[in-house]
Amino acid sequence: TQLLEQSPQFLSIQEGENLTVYCNSSSVFSSLQWYRQEPGEGPVLLVTVVTGGEVKKLKRLTFQFGDARKDSSLHITAAQPGDTGLYLCAGLPQESSYKLIFGSGTRLLVRP
Amino acid sequence: GAGVSQTPSNKVTEKGKYVELRCDPISGHTALYWYRQSLGQGPEFLIYFQGTGAADDSGLPNDRFFAVRPEGSVSTLKIQRTERGDSAVYLCASSLNGGTSYEQYFGPGTRLTVT
Repeated sequence: TQLLEQSPQFLSIQEGENLTVYCNSSSVFSSLQWYRQEPGEGPVLLVTVVTGGEVKKLKRLTFQFGDARKDSSLHITAAQPGDTGLYLCAGLPQESSYKLIFGSGTRLLVRP
Repeated sequence: GAGVSQTPSNKVTEKGKYVELRCDPISGHTALYWYRQSLGQGPEFLIYFQGTGAADDSGLPNDRFFAVRPEGSVSTLKIQRTERGDSAVYLCASSLNGGTSYEQYFGPGTRLTVT
């Protein structure tokens, strides 16, 4: 069974601080996605990374896919209260084109 | 345009009862997915439909769970003889087609509570 481990599980920081969320596995994924989920809503896709070593930026969010395509990180610069939410990583196994494997999520609270 | 919708948003049922959860995918999306999200966890894959057929139902936990998509659009997840362990948020997603190139768009989920 392929697993994605996310850390930390919870993060409470002050507005303006930087943070990094990690997503690790012993398995190789063909692609990895990052989602954000608000209470009472479904996950919303932020980014997809496909190539080992790939870095993508979305405003203050930087996403990186590990060289071996087994891990990924999400870095937020100068966090804002609006960044508060549940961040989920999800990988597509090499043998599947649709069955997303989700991590358990990182719950982020940015205090004003 | 309209996103994925799910009804009901909340369902409370007694142990042993039968429930149906409905998903309306985005119009024109041929692929539909059901996931289950337990408290404090990420979503877990249940079943994938391509058109009317279940292409992969390997995530269904046991034979109490069944899903249909008779006309290739709306899907219903059916749970028989509900158990307290079935309590979770059931998420539906759809994509234009199956495959890695197509983003899965998620609905808001149905929160099922079995008492």
